[in-house]
Formats: sequence, C-alpha cells, structure tokens
Amino acid sequence: DVKVTQSSRYLVKRTGEKVFLECVQDMDHENMFWYRQDPGLGLRLIYFSYDVKMKEKGDIPEGYSVSREKKERFSLILESASTNQTSMYLCASSLTSGRAEQFFGPGTRLTVL
Amino acid sequence: DAKTTQPPSMDCAEGRAANLPCNHSTISGNEYVYWYRQIHSQGPQYIIHGLKNNETNEMASLIITEDRKSSTLILPHATLRDTAVYYCIVRVAMDSNYQLIWGAGTKLIIKP
Repeated sequence: DVKVTQSSRYLVKRTGEKVFLECVQDMDHENMFWYRQDPGLGLRLIYFSYDVKMKEKGDIPEGYSVSREKKERFSLILESASTNQTSMYLCASSLTSGRAEQFFGPGTRLTVL
Repeated sequence: DAKTTQPPSMDCAEGRAANLPCNHSTISGNEYVYWYRQIHSQGPQYIIHGLKNNETNEMASLIITEDRKSSTLILPHATLRDTAVYYCIVRVAMDSNYQLIWGAGTKLIIKP
C-alpha cells in the first residue's frame, strides 16, 4: 500500500525558530512536493523535487527552503518561522513527471506563536 | 492563480448521484483536468483525470464538455463517507515537469 508519512501531525513553534518538517515516501517515487493549505485558498505549491539533490521553486517559496539528500525523504525548512507561516503543510509524491497522480501524507498543522 | 472555479458548497442525499461542476474556461489544449478530494483531517486523495473524453473508474465518472471549458464529476451513489472537499484541478506543463493548479474546492455534504 502506498504510503507518505510526515514527521508530526501537530507542531507549535515560536517566532524566529528554525523549523524542520520531514516527509518520507516508500513508493520509490521520483517526484516529491511540499504544499501549504490555508482556508479558502486550496493548496499552494512551495517547492518540489524531481530527483535527489534537485529542487524547483513553486508558487510561494519565500521564507522556505528544502532538502532532498535521499530519494525517499524530502524536508521543508523554515529558516526563521513567522506567524504568517502558521498553516497546514502537506507533502506529496508522484512516480514520474508525466504521471501527475500525487499521493499525499496526512499533513502537519504548524502553529507559530 | 487558480484556473478553475467551483461552487463553495453543495448538498446531496445519500444514495443519489452527486454532480459536482467545475469551470475551466482558460484551459489549454494539452492541459488535463484532475479531481481530488480531501476528507476532514486527511491529505487529498486522487479520484480521476481526463483530457477530452469522458472517463470512468471505480470511484467516479468525469464528463468534460466538448469545448473543454467545463467538466462535471459524478459520484453515482453517494454515501456518507463521500462527505469531503472536492478539488477540480488543471495540470499545466512547467518546463520538463507538470504542476497541479488547485482551486478552493467544493465542500460536498452527503445527508442521510
């Protein structure tokens, strides 16, 4: 069974802290994605990666960075968390670039105080 | 910017067909329409996708108009477990890759 896991379901951090969100997939997928989801806005793409050590900016990369050192793991980093980064963060993976069916993790609800 | 517009919410009686509309009037010829749904407290789940022809799978049917400016997702016999937010999405080509452009979705409530 396809599985995407995220390190935490809920996370509370303080303004200015460095935050790491981890995502692991067990499907040997090439592509991995980080989205944030806010009420009324749907999902917005932050970064994606189509191969190990490769990354591409999505629609809203400002304030975020990513790391993909291994195929199965894609990390989202908030260098200095701010209150406007309070959101639901969703990780997804897909097999190839031509097959955009994405499999999602359960999400991490991050609150920045 | 989202390339799709959907009604914010809909109701449907249990056992009836749920028909969810989507407008994508600016869609390009090679851009697919995808549907996902998100049940409360879970990540989105893929339902179906299509380009020009109507599509059917074990979950739903997708009807795309001939001019491709709109589509309808049909859940033939809705159950209470189909209560979710349904997203109509356009897949666009970005260099050598693809990106899903998400809208705000339709909250579908199935009533007993």
